[in-house]
Amino acid sequence: AQTVTQSQPEMSVQEAETVTLSCTYDTSESDYYLFWYKQPPSRQMILVIRQEAYKQQNATENRFSVNFQKAAKSFSLKISDSQLGDAAMYFCAIYTDKLIFGTGTRLQVFP
Amino acid sequence: GAGVSQSPSNKVTEKGKDVELRCDPISGHTALYWYRQSLGQGLEFLIYFQGNSAPDKSGLPSDRFSAERTGGSVSTLTIQRTQQEDSAVYLCASSWDRVGTEAFFGQGTRLTVV
Repeated sequence: AQTVTQSQPEMSVQEAETVTLSCTYDTSESDYYLFWYKQPPSRQMILVIRQEAYKQQNATENRFSVNFQKAAKSFSLKISDSQLGDAAMYFCAIYTDKLIFGTGTRLQVFP
Repeated sequence: GAGVSQSPSNKVTEKGKDVELRCDPISGHTALYWYRQSLGQGLEFLIYFQGNSAPDKSGLPSDRFSAERTGGSVSTLTIQRTQQEDSAVYLCASSWDRVGTEAFFGQGTRLTVV
């Protein structure tokens, strides 16, 4: 069975600064997919970024990028030039035979 | 429809009553998930339907919980004899029948058991 661990219940960052959210996972599968989802106060889950485990290149989406370390089973999310609208819960997730989420990190952004 | 639709958006029920939560996935999506999110917590996997395969029920917390998916589309999550600890937001998500594709979520149903 796969597990996802997010060890930072809360993080904060100042507007325009950079923040990194941590995620580690465990799976016995060699082929899997990793995701970061954002959940703002509206409760609507939004996909931020997706990484295929067989790809060595780290995924990027505008201000969002990941540091994927397959051997270490680590998948951190870096948010550059943080904006007030980035404030939300962030969930790391893994897909092997189903989609499993971590417990989330609440990100606060200060002006 | 344009997105995943869940109903009702809010439900208050008395302890011991049965409740049904509904999920309408995006048309054509063969995969459907149910998750439970307690206040300020993560997403707890409940059940996963994929096409015509037998559902993965490994996350259902007790036999009071059940779910069905009719015609490969609409899904209903049923909680029998509700308890106060069942109070949570229940989220539904659907995706295409391709491994590792994005899951699209509904807005959830907030269930309060009083």
